[in-house]
Amino acid sequence: GENVEQHPSTLSVQEGDSAVIKCTYSDSASNYFPWYKQELGKGPQLIIDIRSNVGEKKDQRIAVTLNKTAKHFSLHITETQPEDSAVYFCAATILGGNDMRFGAGTRLTVKP
Amino acid sequence: NAGVTQTPKFQVLKTGQSMTLQCAQDMNHNSMYWYRQDPGMGLRLIYYSASEGTTDKGEVPNGYNVSRLNKREFSLRLESAAPSQTSVYFCASRIGITDTQYFGPGTRLTVL
Repeated sequence: GENVEQHPSTLSVQEGDSAVIKCTYSDSASNYFPWYKQELGKGPQLIIDIRSNVGEKKDQRIAVTLNKTAKHFSLHITETQPEDSAVYFCAATILGGNDMRFGAGTRLTVKP
Repeated sequence: NAGVTQTPKFQVLKTGQSMTLQCAQDMNHNSMYWYRQDPGMGLRLIYYSASEGTTDKGEVPNGYNVSRLNKREFSLRLESAAPSQTSVYFCASRIGITDTQYFGPGTRLTVL
């Protein structure tokens, strides 16, 4: 089955700096890669996703890039703010499928 | 519109006790999922129900059973709880047309 690895496990940045979280996946059949943000005491919430037919997607301060050949994808957050502090999870699955595999998570801390 | 709701929020069990975690969604979603979240391991799929009347095993189904009671409700049962089942359990749902999963707030379960 699919295996997703995520790095780093913790990341601390100064407010205004950029943050990058990287994930690799093993199953070349995977074609849908969402990113979830989990705030303390809450369930994960989708913040951005990308399908394998595109290489990059942006939504305001958040962007995701995908390299299908290398089987890795990354989350980029620019101009970080304290409210970006949370645990971020990447995931990989086949579109329409039910077996989504998650990375282990990255705890991002944005220091004011 | 409450989204995905889970009960209880917290539970402490003794080894060997049984309990049922409840999940309900009011978004008319077809698919529902149960995950467990353990430190350093991300979210792992326990069981899912692609549509009313069907259930399938996920990555870590041992020790659990599920029931898709109707389109809204999907319950997870631990027949004989073990300390290894200490975890935070999340329920999620998906409409089926898109791949976005919506998560509930979680149930924190401790088995002594």
